[in-house]
Amino acid sequence: EVQLVESGGGLVKPGGSLRLSCAASGFTFSSYSMNWVRQAPGKGLEWVSSISSSSSYIYYADSVKGRFTISRDNAKNSLYLQMNSLRAEDTAVYYCAAEATYWGQGTLVTVSS
Amino acid sequence: DIQMTQSPSSLSASVGDRVTITCQASQDISNYLNWYQQKPGKAPKLLIYDASNLETGVPSRFSGSGSGTDFTFTISSLQPEDIATYYCQQYDNLPLFGQGTKLEIK
Repeated sequence: EVQLVESGGGLVKPGGSLRLSCAASGFTFSSYSMNWVRQAPGKGLEWVSSISSSSSYIYYADSVKGRFTISRDNAKNSLYLQMNSLRAEDTAVYYCAAEATYWGQGTLVTVSS
Repeated sequence: DIQMTQSPSSLSASVGDRVTITCQASQDISNYLNWYQQKPGKAPKLLIYDASNLETGVPSRFSGSGSGTDFTFTISSLQPEDIATYYCQQYDNLPLFGQGTKLEIK
């Protein structure tokens, strides 16, 4: 069974940092490009970042460029998102996704003082 | 930057109705378009990829068409379990989602 399980979300103050993790199982993680997609409360989906299967190509949305860093460890079947300089507008459920096909259940990040 | 315009933003229909949602890209994206279904509190689910290909396991009442800049998503006969928000997403360039269409039962 394919599983993507996000963790690391929580409440953080503006300007703070969080590191999200996504543990993958049930498919060949190293063959898939991976994505982070977020959804603010009551809002639509927003693509955040992508990383190719071998980490050769990395892309960010303008809204997070310079503050967020995506990475992966194929040996550990894991995807990460380091989030620095967090803002209130970063408050959202963060999903990891294997290309378009497999999605995790999401982890909530709340940025508030 | 590519812009995606999805319409309508909300839609009310009866069980058995044919439902159509459109997505327009600001420039040619070939067939690099996905359609997703998202139910409240759940992750998005891929329904259609490459504009017109049905994802494995997805009921055949769902379909997609189009290429270039104009795309259409259709539910041929609406079922109660289809109540959800639907999103298009282009991936010709950096991924971008449409604004979503909230589908309700009349």
